Amino acid sequence: DAGITQSPRHKVTETGTPVTLRCHQTENHRYMYWYRQDPGHGLRLIHYSYGVKDTDKGEVSDGYSVSRSKTEDFLLTLESATSSQTSVYFCAISGEKDGANVLTFGAGSRLTVL
Amino acid sequence: GQSLEQPSEVTAVEGAIVQINCTYQTSGFYGLSWYQQHDGGAPTFLSYNALDGLEETGRFSSFLSRSDSYGYLLLQELQMKDSASYFCAVLPGSTLGRLYFGRGTQLTVWP
Repeated sequence: DAGITQSPRHKVTETGTPVTLRCHQTENHRYMYWYRQDPGHGLRLIHYSYGVKDTDKGEVSDGYSVSRSKTEDFLLTLESATSSQTSVYFCAISGEKDGANVLTFGAGSRLTVL
Repeated sequence: GQSLEQPSEVTAVEGAIVQINCTYQTSGFYGLSWYQQHDGGAPTFLSYNALDGLEETGRFSSFLSRSDSYGYLLLQELQMKDSASYFCAVLPGSTLGRLYFGRGTQLTVWP
């Protein structure tokens, strides 16, 4: 199994506070992704990275920033958390299996913004 | 842009067969994937179709028709442990491997 860990796994914070979620991988994968999952919306891409210091926006990037200073770490930052950012956040790495592009997800980080 | 449609809920009994359909509209298309997610867990990869036809992996099969922009996941000999959410996802052709997911189908298997 791919080594991908997220921290923290659970966090409760207040509106207006900054929050950083960390994704750490041990597989040396080039591509990493942050998704959020909300009831009725499936998984939506926030930001992704295709290498160290190379990142780009996904479908729902407003209010989020990312950084990738090392291959193994991909950070998601909410500069000023809002209640609409209450969600489960999944980090993923991209690999190939039998010709298929396969995402392997971390266990998720549940964020509650009060 | 991309859009995917799949049923929100499906129910079936143990031992039965169930089919979860997915229709998609995308600006480019490389393939259709399926992911399974149990309550409280992370999505896990099930299958991928790049070409038309049926791909079989044990009790699960996945089908793709590129001309109809349609695919389905077929689950046979259903077991209680198959109760989960199932997501279809398209790879629109980006070399960066970005997937766009449907909203998911909640499968409940009854004894």
